[in-house]
Amino acid sequence: DTGVSQDPRHKITKRGQNVTFRCDPISEHNRLYWYRQTLGQGPEFLTYFQNEAQLEKSRLLSDRFSAERPKGSFSTLEIQRTEQGDSAMYLCASSFEGSPLHFGNGTRLTVT
Amino acid sequence: GENVEQHPSTLSVQEGDSAVIKCTYSDSASNYFPWYKQELGKRPQLIIDIRSNVGEKKDQRIAVTLNKTAKHFSLHITETQPEDSAVYFCAASKPTGNQFYFGTGTSLTVIP
Repeated sequence: DTGVSQDPRHKITKRGQNVTFRCDPISEHNRLYWYRQTLGQGPEFLTYFQNEAQLEKSRLLSDRFSAERPKGSFSTLEIQRTEQGDSAMYLCASSFEGSPLHFGNGTRLTVT
Repeated sequence: GENVEQHPSTLSVQEGDSAVIKCTYSDSASNYFPWYKQELGKRPQLIIDIRSNVGEKKDQRIAVTLNKTAKHFSLHITETQPEDSAVYFCAASKPTGNQFYFGTGTSLTVIP
């Protein structure tokens, strides 16, 4: 499968713990996006990379959230000191300039 | 920023009937409008898209129309089938393609 892959698929953590998610985009795509989706809502933009540069961050992204794309390939999203309100599906997507977004299957985070 | 509104939030149709989902956007600079289908527990998948230089695009039973003046676009599904049941999201993007703004989704149920 040459699509966008995300790991893990599910993560259950206790409040206050740190979690890290990984996204591997489609290899020829230079743009990588992180979105958050809660039940009954559309995907909400979190952040965007072009190659290794993080070009935009949503105001939704608090200081507890950090994303990296060190070599312009895979990306990681870390949430520190998780809160129950962080429970959601975290979707990664990639694209090549001007092309549609291709989504991964997401990481479902549950904070207990 | 851009604001995308989507209606209705839920839609039930009899198999074989047509379904129409409507979206409006606020930023006249938006020029690319994709539609995604998301089945339960799966990733959003692109089903059709339209750019602002055309008013209509069709792909078999699916069509999208765009009215740039009124800033609204619609998804039309004809001869609906049970496998069309899913949540559908519209989105809008500007020429830079840095962000895709999503609607809140329409849950479509096709009744056999």
